[in-house]
Amino acid sequence: GENVEQHPSTLSVQEGDSAVIKCTYSDSASNYFPWYKQELGKGPQLIIDIRSNVGEKKDQRIAVTLNKTAKHFSLHITETQPEDSAVYFCAAGGTALIFGKGTTLSVSS
Amino acid sequence: EAQVTQNPRYLITVTGKKLTVTCSQNMNHEYMSWYRQDPGLGLRQIYYSMNVEVTDKGDVPEGYKVSRKEKRNFPLILESPSPNQTSLYFCASSLGSGSFNEQYFGPGTRLTVT
Repeated sequence: GENVEQHPSTLSVQEGDSAVIKCTYSDSASNYFPWYKQELGKGPQLIIDIRSNVGEKKDQRIAVTLNKTAKHFSLHITETQPEDSAVYFCAAGGTALIFGKGTTLSVSS
Repeated sequence: EAQVTQNPRYLITVTGKKLTVTCSQNMNHEYMSWYRQDPGLGLRQIYYSMNVEVTDKGDVPEGYKVSRKEKRNFPLILESPSPNQTSLYFCASSLGSGSFNEQYFGPGTRLTVT
């Protein structure tokens, strides 16, 4: 079945630095790649998504890139702020939506 | 306000005592799903429902039951809970198939089985 690998599992950056989280997937039929942010004590919330006919998508400080040939996609957060601290999940959607194991991002001021 | 609600938010129970976690959404979504979240394992799908009276197993369905008698409700039933079902549970809904659309998550239910 589909497998989604996410790295790193933890990431610590200084405020203002950039953060990059990478995911790989196994099912070549996947064509929807969302990223969710989970703050402490809350459910995951969609922050950005990309579909397979697009290579890159930006929304203010957040960007996602997709390489379908290599089956990997990445989340880029620029100018990180303390409120970016959270757990981030990537997912790949094909016959089912499969989540990565999550990355705990800590932004220190 | 568009939302997914779950009840209870916290539950401590004993092995073998049947329990139900309710889930309701007010967005007229067709697709609903249950996940469990465990440290180091991320989110794993338990069951999902494409529409009323249509349910199917996810990745980790053993020990769970669901029903979808109404579009807005999707309860999760543990007939005989065991300690390995101690986890954080999330209900989610989306407009169409959950594989290709934004999923809206509830606030979570933390279950402890002793």
